[in-house]
Amino acid sequence: GAVVSQHPSWVICKSGTSVKIECRSLDFQATTMFWYRQFPKQSLMLMATSNEGSKATYEQGVEKDKFLINHASLTLSTLTVTSAHPEDSSFYICSATPWERGQETQYFGPGTRLLVL
Amino acid sequence: SQQGEEDPQALSIQEGENATMNCSYKTSINNLQWYRQNSGRGLVHLILIRSNEREKHSGRLRVTLDTSKKSSSLLITASRAADTASYFCATDYSSASKIIFGSGTRLSIRP
Repeated sequence: GAVVSQHPSWVICKSGTSVKIECRSLDFQATTMFWYRQFPKQSLMLMATSNEGSKATYEQGVEKDKFLINHASLTLSTLTVTSAHPEDSSFYICSATPWERGQETQYFGPGTRLLVL
Repeated sequence: SQQGEEDPQALSIQEGENATMNCSYKTSINNLQWYRQNSGRGLVHLILIRSNEREKHSGRLRVTLDTSKKSSSLLITASRAADTASYFCATDYSSASKIIFGSGTRLSIRP
C-alpha cells in the first residue's frame, strides 16, 4: 500500500515551453502533497506544499508564477513548469501524506527528470 | 529553507563493516526520518523516530536521537554492497507535516 506515482518519469523539452508533471496517490487519499526539486549530487529542496482545494504554499525563493501547482482532487497534484529554461533542468519529486490522522510518514513518488534544451 | 547538516558528506567502507552517519538540525522537531536514495532514483523511507524517543531499531538499522544536542545518527550494521546509496535525514518541525531534508551522506560499500 501507500504508492505514489509520477508521470512522466522523464521529459525533454525546448526552452520556452511548459511542462506538466503529475503526482498521484494510487491507493490512498492525500489532503497534502509536497513538491521537491533535486539538482545533481545535492539534497532535496522543498518547493511547495499542495493542499487539496486551496492554493499551494510556496517556500521562500520559489516563483509561484513559474511553478504552477494544482491539487484538484485527493489523489492528484500537478506541477507545471512554465516557460522552462535550461536552469530548470532538475529531478522533481513529489510526496503525499495519507488522509488518516496520525500518519507522519510521507510517501514519495519515483521522480521526474526534466531536461530543458 | 532550513536544512539539516549531515556528516560525513561521503563515506566509503568495506563490506561487512558498520557505517555511521550523523545529522544535526536547528529547531525543535516533531520527528526525524531517514531515507535512502539510490543513484538517480526515488526515495525509500527507512525509519522514523519521534521527538520523545531516543533509539529505534529496524533490522540492521539503528537510529538514535538526542534532542538536547539536536542530532541524530544512523548506524547500518554488517554493510552490504546493496547499501551503496545516498542517505538523508529529514526533520518534521511544523504543524503542516512538511519535512526538510539534510544535505545527505553518500555511502559506498567496497566489496
